[in-house]
Amino acid sequence: GENVEQHPSTLSVQEGDSAVIKCTYSDSASNYFPWYKQELGKGPQLIIDIRSNVGEKKDQRIAVTLNKTAKHFSLHITETQPEDSAVYFCAATPGGGADGLTFGKGTHLIIQP
Amino acid sequence: ETGVTQTPRHLVMGMTNKKSLKCEQHLGHNAMYWYKQSAKKPLELMFVYSLEERVENNSVPSRFSPECPNSSHLFLHLHTLQPEDSALYLCASSQVGGATYEQYFGPGTRLTVT
Repeated sequence: GENVEQHPSTLSVQEGDSAVIKCTYSDSASNYFPWYKQELGKGPQLIIDIRSNVGEKKDQRIAVTLNKTAKHFSLHITETQPEDSAVYFCAATPGGGADGLTFGKGTHLIIQP
Repeated sequence: ETGVTQTPRHLVMGMTNKKSLKCEQHLGHNAMYWYKQSAKKPLELMFVYSLEERVENNSVPSRFSPECPNSSHLFLHLHTLQPEDSALYLCASSQVGGATYEQYFGPGTRLTVT
């Protein structure tokens, strides 16, 4: 089955700086890679996703890149703000069917004022 | 109500109790999922229902019993649980067969087994 590794487990950055979180996956059948943000006491919130036919996708301050050959994908957050502090999860799945997501262990992002 | 809702939000139960978790999705989706989130472990897929039929049971102990009476509702029936079953139980939904692959999560039920 699929295995997703996520690094780092904790990331502390100064407000206004950029943050990068990296994930690798093992199953070449995976074609859909979402990123979730989870705040304390809440469920995971989908913030951006990418499919395997695209190398990069951007939404305002958030971007995701995918290298399907190397089986890794990354989340980039620019101009970080205090409200970006949360736990971020990457996931992978074949997509299109009733496929469960395989998640990484999460990254606790801390934005220092 | 919008999105995916879950009740109760918090539950404390003894090992001999029987309880049920409820999930409702207001997104018109046709697939629903149960995930378990334990401390310091990745979210783990437990069950998948597509068009009200169970399509995956991810080696979950029989003390967890899912039920999907229609495409909008999903239940997780709990009995004779163990303390290690204490976790956040998350429900999600998605649209199978469409152009989108997104799964949307509810807020979860925080379960404590004493």
